[in-house]
Amino acid sequence: QKEVEQDPGPLSVPEGAIVSLNCTYSNSAFQYFMWYRQYSRKGPELLMYTYSSGNKEDGRFTAQVDKSSKYISLFIRDSQPSDSATYLCAILNTGGFKTIFGAGTRLFVKA
Amino acid sequence: GAVVSQHPSWVICKSGTSVKIECRSLDFQATTMFWYRQFPKQSLMLMATSNEGSKATYEQGVEKDKFLINHASLTLSTLTVTSAHPEDSSFYICSARLTGQNYEQYFGPGTRLTVT
Repeated sequence: QKEVEQDPGPLSVPEGAIVSLNCTYSNSAFQYFMWYRQYSRKGPELLMYTYSSGNKEDGRFTAQVDKSSKYISLFIRDSQPSDSATYLCAILNTGGFKTIFGAGTRLFVKA
Repeated sequence: GAVVSQHPSWVICKSGTSVKIECRSLDFQATTMFWYRQFPKQSLMLMATSNEGSKATYEQGVEKDKFLINHASLTLSTLTVTSAHPEDSSFYICSARLTGQNYEQYFGPGTRLTVT
């Protein structure tokens, strides 16, 4: 079993839709949870991070963590074609200081 | 803030030659830098963790004599692909973690290596 599971997609939605991206993880010791966005042929860009259960909002983006279910989500409201990218969840085990990335979900937002 | 640069952004080299890729943290100090490799439509594969002033820690299966990493200062790490082969062609990305922080990583724009 992989430490972090993420559906690679692709996920295609119309402009304006609410997008839900998800990851599950296996180790309850994981403490920090991050979402990165990666455009084609570019390095990943940190979108959001959190270290507690619950929701964290930043503009059109909401990160949600459910530690009891070992489930993390990223919601994108009013999706735009410019949101088309690969979204990677990343989880950090504070003991190891090593970040573990999900496979990344490719998102396409159609105008 | 928290900008990481990589140079070159792309490079083509012949088999058997060596290529050096630089990773710089432009506006912060990074005790720890990471080197990743990414194949098309695949996720990041951690190659090694580079700590300033000490030897890099390589992930299992990564040849340390082939992928030489040097982290000589708090703002610069280099990856040298030695005796490159076509199968080394890939997208190489570095990231840096702020000194004192233990979770946020900031990525460079990546270097596309093509070995002919």
